[in-house]
Amino acid sequence: EVQLVESGGGVVRPGGSLRLSCAASGFTLDDYGMTWVRQAPGKGLEWVSGITGNGDSSGYADSVKGRFTVSRDNAKNSLYLVMNSLRAEDTALYYCARGITARYDFWGQGTLVTVSS
Amino acid sequence: QSALTQPPSASGSPGQSVTISCTGTSRDVGRYNYVSWYQQHPGKAPKLVIYEVTKRPSGVPDRFSGSKSGNTASLTVSGLQAEDEADYYCCSHAGISNVFGTGTKVTVL
Repeated sequence: EVQLVESGGGVVRPGGSLRLSCAASGFTLDDYGMTWVRQAPGKGLEWVSGITGNGDSSGYADSVKGRFTVSRDNAKNSLYLVMNSLRAEDTALYYCARGITARYDFWGQGTLVTVSS
Repeated sequence: QSALTQPPSASGSPGQSVTISCTGTSRDVGRYNYVSWYQQHPGKAPKLVIYEVTKRPSGVPDRFSGSKSGNTASLTVSGLQAEDEADYYCCSHAGISNVFGTGTKVTVL
């Protein structure tokens, strides 16, 4: 059974940093690109970042470019998102999803990030 | 990376059909056949219902269908059922990024 479990969310002050993790199981992580999607409270879905299966290529939404970094450790079956210079508008539920080219077939339950002073 | 445009709401009675549009540009929806649709119930993670414009994942009822013309993609839900009441989002590949739609709340009357 495919499972994705996010962790690392919490409350952080503006300008602070967090590292999100996504633990994958039930499939071979190397075979899949992976993606982070966020959803602000009461709002729609926003694509944040994607990374290819071997990690050699990644992309970012303009809203997070230069502040967020996606990475993966296939040996540990894990995906990461390092978030720096956090802003109030980064407050959201962050999902990891399997897939990269607008085809996300499995999703985790999300981890909540709250940026507040 | 502007969000794709969807109508805020759509509705239909049980058994009827509802169609949701998703309008992008020649840089996303119009350029790539990588358009997908997601169903999201309150408090739940999104679920893939259509990918690559017209394809249905295993387990998704054939009441869900997708299409595309130019810069606009569409999702049709036929034979509406109570459990189809949810938010629906489109998503398109856009080169080095991807973009979601603004979302449509479907109400089953």
